[in-house]
Amino acid sequence: EIVLTQSPATLSLSPGERATLSCRASQSVSSYLAWYQQKPGQAPRLLIYDASNRATGIPARFSGSGSGTDFTLTISSLEPEDFAVYYCQQRSNWRTFGQGTKLEIK
Amino acid sequence: QVQLQESGPGLVKPSETLSLTCTVSDVSISGYSWSWIRQPPGKGLEWIGYIYYSGSTNYNPSLKSRVTISVDTSKNQFSLKLSSVTAADTAVYYCARDGLNWYFDLWGRGTLVTVSS
Repeated sequence: EIVLTQSPATLSLSPGERATLSCRASQSVSSYLAWYQQKPGQAPRLLIYDASNRATGIPARFSGSGSGTDFTLTISSLEPEDFAVYYCQQRSNWRTFGQGTKLEIK
Repeated sequence: QVQLQESGPGLVKPSETLSLTCTVSDVSISGYSWSWIRQPPGKGLEWIGYIYYSGSTNYNPSLKSRVTISVDTSKNQFSLKLSSVTAADTAVYYCARDGLNWYFDLWGRGTLVTVSS
């Protein structure tokens, strides 16, 4: 099983700041990695797929990078609606999710 | 607008079988794979398994012995059965489409299933 480790567990920032979230895989997943956003009481929403491609309707402030074992989700300038929990997910071998990073308002 | 809707009992007794159905609207179930994912209260996401519209399946190895996913293309539905449940299976259960490049691009709203006597 491929384990995804996200860091930090919690990130406290203010609107307008830049957010950098990390996801590390226990073995290479090539570029088969996605990022999801989940708000309380809602299902997750696909943001980024294949490491760096934005899903339909996702604002340009969201970007993804990385390959192999190290990946990053960057939100260039935080909007109030961006405060949520973010999960990475790989599809290289079965499907697994990271444990999540909570992005909270400072 | 494509919609996925989970349905089934919200309470299941320990040792019994959890059964859920996902009804897909406004898109044919054919041509895609469809997954079940769960989330225990306050915790992260766990993929349970997926079924291709043809009926072929893949399950999370940690749950494989207890999981069965089936599809009914005539009803545009797919279903989950999880046997021998315990309190650890209490979670919100989501159905989702393995769509865009085989990622979960469409989700149901989720349904809470509690395992308790």
